[in-house]
Amino acid sequence: DTGVSQDPRHKITKRGQNVTFRCDPISEHNRLYWYRQTLGQGPEFLTYFQNEAQLEKSRLLSDRFSAERPKGSFSTLEIQRTEQGDSAMYLCASSLAQLTLTDTQYFGPGTRLTVL
Amino acid sequence: QQQVKQSPQSLIVQKGGISIINCAYENTAFDYFPWYQQFPGKGPALLIAIRPDVSEKKEGRFTISFNKSAKQFSLHIMDSQPGDSATYFCAASQNSGGSNYKLTFGKGTLLTVNP
Repeated sequence: DTGVSQDPRHKITKRGQNVTFRCDPISEHNRLYWYRQTLGQGPEFLTYFQNEAQLEKSRLLSDRFSAERPKGSFSTLEIQRTEQGDSAMYLCASSLAQLTLTDTQYFGPGTRLTVL
Repeated sequence: QQQVKQSPQSLIVQKGGISIINCAYENTAFDYFPWYQQFPGKGPALLIAIRPDVSEKKEGRFTISFNKSAKQFSLHIMDSQPGDSATYFCAASQNSGGSNYKLTFGKGTLLTVNP
């Protein structure tokens, strides 16, 4: 399968613990996105990378959240001092930038985080 | 402030019927409107997308109708099949720095197609 992969698929943690998620984009894609999806809602944009550069962060991404994309390949999303309100599905997407067309974002299956 | 409003929240259609899902947006700078389909346990997958320079786009059984003056767009699924049962999300984005990268999603519509 050459789609976007995310690991782990499920994570249960206690409040106050740190968690880290990994996203492996489609290999030739230079753009990578993180979204958060809560129950009954659509995905909400968190942040966006072009190659290794993080170009935008949503105000939803508090100081407890940090995302990296070293070498412009895989990306990690870390949440420090987790809170119950962080419980959600964290989705990663990737796309190939194109000069004249809107690039299609391909989503991974997500990591479901439950904070107890 | 919800920038993309989607309705209905849920929809039940008989096999062979037409499913219609509506979305309305507020930001007139939006210029790209995709629809995503999401099955349980999977990430959203692009179904069809439209830009405001056309009023309709059709791909197979799926059609987007777009009304720029009303700031509304809709998804029509013709000859609905049980395999179409999924959650559908409309989304919108605006061009920023030469790219439409930040998608704003509606809340989703759970479609059930009965056999």
